[in-house]
Amino acid sequence: EVQVVESGGGLVQPGGSLRLSCATSGFTFSSYWMCWVRQAPGKGLEWVANIKQGGTEKYYAASVKGRFTISRDNAKNSLYLQMNSLRAEDTAVYYCSTSDRWGTPSQYWGQGTLVTVSS
Amino acid sequence: QSVLIQPPSASGTPGQRVTISCSGSSSNVGHNPVNWYQQLPGTAPKLLISNNNERPSGVPERFSASKSGTSASLAISGLQSEDEADYYCAVWDDTLNVLFGGGTKLTVL
Repeated sequence: EVQVVESGGGLVQPGGSLRLSCATSGFTFSSYWMCWVRQAPGKGLEWVANIKQGGTEKYYAASVKGRFTISRDNAKNSLYLQMNSLRAEDTAVYYCSTSDRWGTPSQYWGQGTLVTVSS
Repeated sequence: QSVLIQPPSASGTPGQRVTISCSGSSSNVGHNPVNWYQQLPGTAPKLLISNNNERPSGVPERFSASKSGTSASLAISGLQSEDEADYYCAVWDDTLNVLFGGGTKLTVL
């Protein structure tokens, strides 16, 4: 059975940092591109970042570039998102997903973790 | 406003066929494959269609999609009440970004 479980969300003050984790099982994690997608309350989906299988290629949305860092540990079947200099507009549910070879999210998604940036 | 344009809403009665459009440009829809996602209320998105028109295992044949030029469309035939959800298109853009459409809220009347 495939499992994708995000964790690490919570309430953080503007300017603060948070590290999200995504633990996976049931598929060959090291064979997949992975990505983070977020959804602000009541809004649509927004792609955040992608990372290639070996971690050598990474791509970021302009809205998070320079503040967020995507990484992975294939030995632990896990994906991470380090978020620094957080802003109110980063408030969202963050989803972890596999990506297809064109970079778009594919078939395995987690249930999401809520990040709230507020003072 | 999203670069990929979807109608904000769509509706139909049970049994009807509805279509949802996704309009982009030559650097995204016109050049790369489009995926479609279904998001039921309060749940994570689910991949509905990949690579323009491929249904993952478990997705009913009622769901189909196509692409022509810089526009793509999702069709749902034999509409059912459980199809009431938000639908999103997504595509890789040659500016090295993944783009999502703004989403279409489908109401089953």
